Amino acid sequence: EVQLVESGGGLVQPGGSLRLSCAASGFTFSSYWMSWVRQAPGKGLEWVANIKEDGSQKYYVDSVKGRFTISRDNAKNSLYLQMNSLRAEDTAVYYCARAGMAARGFWYFDLWGRGTLVTVSS
Amino acid sequence: DIQMTQSPSSLSASVGDTVTITCRASQSISRYLNWYQQKPGKAPKLLIYGSYSLQSGVPSRFSGSESGTDFTLTISSLQPEDFATYYCQQTYSTVWTFGRGTKVEIK
Repeated sequence: EVQLVESGGGLVQPGGSLRLSCAASGFTFSSYWMSWVRQAPGKGLEWVANIKEDGSQKYYVDSVKGRFTISRDNAKNSLYLQMNSLRAEDTAVYYCARAGMAARGFWYFDLWGRGTLVTVSS
Repeated sequence: DIQMTQSPSSLSASVGDTVTITCRASQSISRYLNWYQQKPGKAPKLLIYGSYSLQSGVPSRFSGSESGTDFTLTISSLQPEDFATYYCQQTYSTVWTFGRGTKVEIK
């Protein structure tokens, strides 16, 4: 079955760290850009970061630059998000998403995980 | 960064109605615009990519169009399962951004 399964969420104090994981199965993980998208409780979607198939390119939303690091292990079919210096405003459900690309280079998220909740609170 | 202004933030409609949701980009994004549907407690689902290409398996009552920096999602003959929140997303730049969402509620 083609799927993404996130793990690693939980309660963490402000200033703390957490590492999220995303296990991919049912498709050739190493052939896709991958992303993290988050959604604060009752709010909209926010793209967080992208990583190229081989990990050589990474992009981040400004609000997490210098604090979050996206990485991947293609041998383990896994995507990661290392989150440091966490703030209350980082509280959200974090989704792992696969970036597909159509002809003419149109990118989109065609596969999503169910998400993992990160709560930053003292 | 490119800002996506989505409107309305919510709307009420009846089964069978035609609904239109708009997204305006802060600069030209060509056709790099996607639409997603999200139901409570669920992950988003891709509906349309490249401004008007229908994702496989998505009903044909969903359609997309563009005019310059304005993009429209149209749902024809609204069905009970269409009541959800809809988001646009641009993937033109290296920093991808979503609109704030439109909640479609039952009238």
